[in-house]
Amino acid sequence: DQQVKQNSPSLSVQEGRISILNCDYTNSMFDYFLWYKKYPAEGPTFLISISSIKDKNEDGRFTVFLNKSAKHLSLHIVPSQPGDSAVYFCAASGGTYKYIFGTGTRLKVLA
Amino acid sequence: DSGVTQTPKHLITATGQRVTLRCSPRSGDLSVYWYQQSLDQGLQFLIQYYNGEERAKGNILERFSAQQFPDLHSELNLSSLELGDSALYFCASSVVAGGDSYNEQFFGPGTRLTVL
Repeated sequence: DQQVKQNSPSLSVQEGRISILNCDYTNSMFDYFLWYKKYPAEGPTFLISISSIKDKNEDGRFTVFLNKSAKHLSLHIVPSQPGDSAVYFCAASGGTYKYIFGTGTRLKVLA
Repeated sequence: DSGVTQTPKHLITATGQRVTLRCSPRSGDLSVYWYQQSLDQGLQFLIQYYNGEERAKGNILERFSAQQFPDLHSELNLSSLELGDSALYFCASSVVAGGDSYNEQFFGPGTRLTVL
């Protein structure tokens, strides 16, 4: 049972435009959400996180939105840059559930 | 460079064998986490240690075990290997107390295990 789902395996966006990566979860015990970025042959790198008491968190070009009622979060990258091309994982944690990761979305930013 | 090191980088072995993967956390980090990433799968959390003690357990098979040593490095032992155990195994570390959701984990580059 996949408790954290990233339904889009891949996404292509033009440089300078907005990239929106989506993540859905099923477990209402989750209270903390994170996004990680992964380049080939490297381990994931932490990008941004959000607690369930917030609905938005911003860090430079990256913004994460959380819609608790819909059990949905999204990562917005504005403007997208070619160096953002990577696989993005969302992850959730809370209660007895630790570090549940989605299957990832491969973002390709076209120059 | 995250500061987390993992050895070996690649490992090829046969079914039924036993292997040990090693992880050195970032300097000062007390928590170590192990993850498995199979083909086209997300990262599956296996187990977490904090300052030498097991803190949280995920989808870790009974054939797998881990430990964290006094110098804080950790080893993941995989035994009676099966073809399905072929995967990337990541180690991560964090500075905050084990069991705390609210922490950033720093990942190593991973060990690619191939079971033939």
